[in-house]
Amino acid sequence: GDSVTQMEGPVTLSEEAFLTINCTYTATGYPSLFWYVQYPGEGLQLLLKATKADDKGSNKGFEATYRKETTSFHLEKGSVQVSDSAVYFCAPRSYNTDKLIFGTGTRLQVFP
Amino acid sequence: DARVTQTPRHKVTEMGQEVTMRCQPILGHNTVFWYRQTMMQGLELLAYFRNRAPLDDSGMPKDRFSAEMPDATLATLKIQPSEPRDSAVYFCASGYDRDYNSPLHFGNGTRLTVT
Repeated sequence: GDSVTQMEGPVTLSEEAFLTINCTYTATGYPSLFWYVQYPGEGLQLLLKATKADDKGSNKGFEATYRKETTSFHLEKGSVQVSDSAVYFCAPRSYNTDKLIFGTGTRLQVFP
Repeated sequence: DARVTQTPRHKVTEMGQEVTMRCQPILGHNTVFWYRQTMMQGLELLAYFRNRAPLDDSGMPKDRFSAEMPDATLATLKIQPSEPRDSAVYFCASGYDRDYNSPLHFGNGTRLTVT
């Protein structure tokens, strides 16, 4: 079945540091790929998405590129802020299913 | 901005009591999902519906959990009887079927504590 592997957290960074959160997936067919973010006490919010190979999704300074050859969708940001502290989830969605499959999530903590 | 609405936001109950959680999906969405989030297990899919029909509830303990969609604007998740191990945050999400490029939209969850 479909699955996602995310890097273990927590990831602890100083403000303005560079962020990478790794994500690899297995999915049938040609999935769409999503990153969601969860702030404390809230539900998951869509951060960005990519729907075909080599597409780059971007939002709020975050970027991720759909790498079909390595089945990866790593999240990056050039300069993190304290307000980026949250849990980040990678999720593929296969063409033949309604479901999103979530990884375990990666907690990011950014300190001033 | 259209939102998925969940009620209640918090629920504290004693073991053995019935718990009902409600979800109002975004108008026009035809798929509804129930997820449970715990520190140990992360996000688990409990059940999902398409056009109000249950399609997959394999993630749900059948002896005590039930999920229904009495109409297109309401989904419910019931636990009877509740147990301390059911303590978790329960999320509802809605979306469109067949458009796998579109995301799911999540509510803010119901935090359940069973004592």
